[in-house]
Amino acid sequence: GDSVTQMEGPVTLSEEAFLTINCTYTATGYPSLFWYVQYPGEGLQLLLKATKADDKGSNKGFEATYRKETTSFHLEKGSVQVSDSAVYFCALLSGSSNTGKLIFGQGTTLQVKP
Amino acid sequence: DVKVTQSSRYLVKRTGEKVFLECVQDMDHENMFWYRQDPGLGLRLIYFSYDVKMKEKGDIPEGYSVSREKKERFSLILESASTNQTSMYLCASGESRRTVEAFFGQGTRLTVV
Repeated sequence: GDSVTQMEGPVTLSEEAFLTINCTYTATGYPSLFWYVQYPGEGLQLLLKATKADDKGSNKGFEATYRKETTSFHLEKGSVQVSDSAVYFCALLSGSSNTGKLIFGQGTTLQVKP
Repeated sequence: DVKVTQSSRYLVKRTGEKVFLECVQDMDHENMFWYRQDPGLGLRLIYFSYDVKMKEKGDIPEGYSVSREKKERFSLILESASTNQTSMYLCASGESRRTVEAFFGQGTRLTVV
């Protein structure tokens, strides 16, 4: 079945460092791909999305490119801030889905130190 | 803004109790979901619903049931709580079956003792 794999955390960075969180997926057809973020004590919120190959999603300085050839959707940010400390989830929506059901990775905790 | 509200942030229940977790959304969304979140396992889908009185099993439905009597409300029921159901429970809603975005509540941290 469809699945999402994220890099193990936690990831600890200093402020202004470059961030990459790896995400790869297994899916039949043409899934849509997402990054969700969960700040401490809150629910998840959508960070960015890409619905077809070679699309680049971007928001709040974060970017991810849908790479069908490598089945990847890695999250990047050029300069992280302390306020970016959160748990990041990669997710997919199957291209054949008619339920709106998302499949999530295990989450990666990011801690940014001043 | 879409608002998804879960009735409790923290709950402590005893083993064997029947537990109700309530979720309400205010955007007339068709889809609603219940996930549980555990460290190292990410979010796992328990049940979902795409219409009133309709429900579908997710990946881990055992020990749970759901109720959707009104479009805006989706309840998760633990028939007889057990300690392995201690977890964070997240409710979400989505506009339709083909929606590309889900909106989440703030979560309920349930502890079963």
